[in-house]
Amino acid sequence: AQSVTQLDSHVSVSEGTPVLLRCNYSSSYSPSLFWYVQHPNKGLQLLLKYTSAATLVKGINGFEAEFKKSETSFHLTKPSAHMSDAAEYFCVVSDTYKLSFGAGTTVTVRA
Amino acid sequence: NAGVTQTPKFRVLKTGQSMTLLCAQDMNHEYMYWYRQDPGMGLRLIHYSVGEGTTAKGEVPDGYNVSRLKKQNFLLGLESAAPSQTSVYFCASKSRFSGRTDTQYFGPGTRLTVL
Repeated sequence: AQSVTQLDSHVSVSEGTPVLLRCNYSSSYSPSLFWYVQHPNKGLQLLLKYTSAATLVKGINGFEAEFKKSETSFHLTKPSAHMSDAAEYFCVVSDTYKLSFGAGTTVTVRA
Repeated sequence: NAGVTQTPKFRVLKTGQSMTLLCAQDMNHEYMYWYRQDPGMGLRLIHYSVGEGTTAKGEVPDGYNVSRLKKQNFLLGLESAAPSQTSVYFCASKSRFSGRTDTQYFGPGTRLTVL
């Protein structure tokens, strides 16, 4: 069975500073990994996905994630946080039919 | 394209009442899903369907039933609602052609409260 673990339930950053959201995965084969974002009282939006084409994946709104097989990690980063980045972020692993979600990381951005 | 839509957006039920949530997609997707979202638990899969007339259990199926009579619609039913089913419910769909790599598209959610 595939699964993901998000290592931080809450991250607080100052506006303009880097953001790092950590995710480890467990998979018996080469995984497909995703990061989704959910703004308050909204649905889920895809930020980026890894499908084995390149280990560094660029997404929307300046986010990127790096797939590291040796560390079984897929951490999400952004060089400079903006107030609009305050949201909940989910790391997700996919098999043929289904997605398995991490518990989520809530990001707070301080002015 | 409307994408994935859900009806209703909000609902309050009393314990023991029944209701049906409707999910519709206009992207001709084969796969459809129902999830529930609870604080600190991410999204958990309730049931899914890989095609018209077929359904399968997900991670947390108890207390729910589903039907996929038309390709574009996926219905989630609660026969006898319980307070533990208070949650936000999301529907999603995806194409079958890209397997694990394809993106699931999510609806806006239905907030259900069971008193």
